[in-house]
Amino acid sequence: DTGVSQDPRHKITKRGQNVTFRCDPISEHNRLYWYRQTLGQGPEFLTYFQNEAQLEKSRLLSDRFSAERPKGSFSTLEIQRTEQGDSAMYLCASSKGTAQETQYFGPGTRLLVL
Amino acid sequence: GENVEQHPSTLSVQEGDSAVIKCTYSDSASNYFPWYKQELGKGPQLIIDIRSNVGEKKDQRIAVTLNKTAKHFSLHITETQPEDSAVYFCAASDTGGFKTIFGAGTRLFVKA
Repeated sequence: DTGVSQDPRHKITKRGQNVTFRCDPISEHNRLYWYRQTLGQGPEFLTYFQNEAQLEKSRLLSDRFSAERPKGSFSTLEIQRTEQGDSAMYLCASSKGTAQETQYFGPGTRLLVL
Repeated sequence: GENVEQHPSTLSVQEGDSAVIKCTYSDSASNYFPWYKQELGKGPQLIIDIRSNVGEKKDQRIAVTLNKTAKHFSLHITETQPEDSAVYFCAASDTGGFKTIFGAGTRLFVKA
């Protein structure tokens, strides 16, 4: 299967710790997206990359959040000094990179901050 | 800001009946409307999409309609089966295609 993969699938951490998540998009997909999904809600856009360039960031992405896609392939999302409110499912998606292209989602990383 | 409203939040139907989920959007620039199905513990999976130059699209038991004037779009599932039980999300995006706004979801229960 060559779909979007995310690692880890689950992460439990204590408040104040840093966490990093990884996303591997579908091969040759130029665009990569990060979303956050809380219980009972739809995914909320966080940021997206066109190749290695981060082109848009949501106001949801506080200074404690940083995302990278150094070689235009996989991406990482780091949360520093985690807070209980960061507990959520973090979803990654990728698309080919043209307008109105379908986004394909990974299975997500479920974060629980104690 | 941009908003997508989705109704109902929960829908329970008998196996074999039809299910309809409705969404409205606020951004007039929206022109791409995907629908996703999310099962427990999994990421959303695209089931059908529609672009603004089309009023209706059908794929086997699933159909989507779009009314751009009213900013409404709907998902129709016919002959529902227990495996259709999941959370369904509508979404809207503009020409740039990168910022997709999702509805809050509809939890569909199909009773055998």
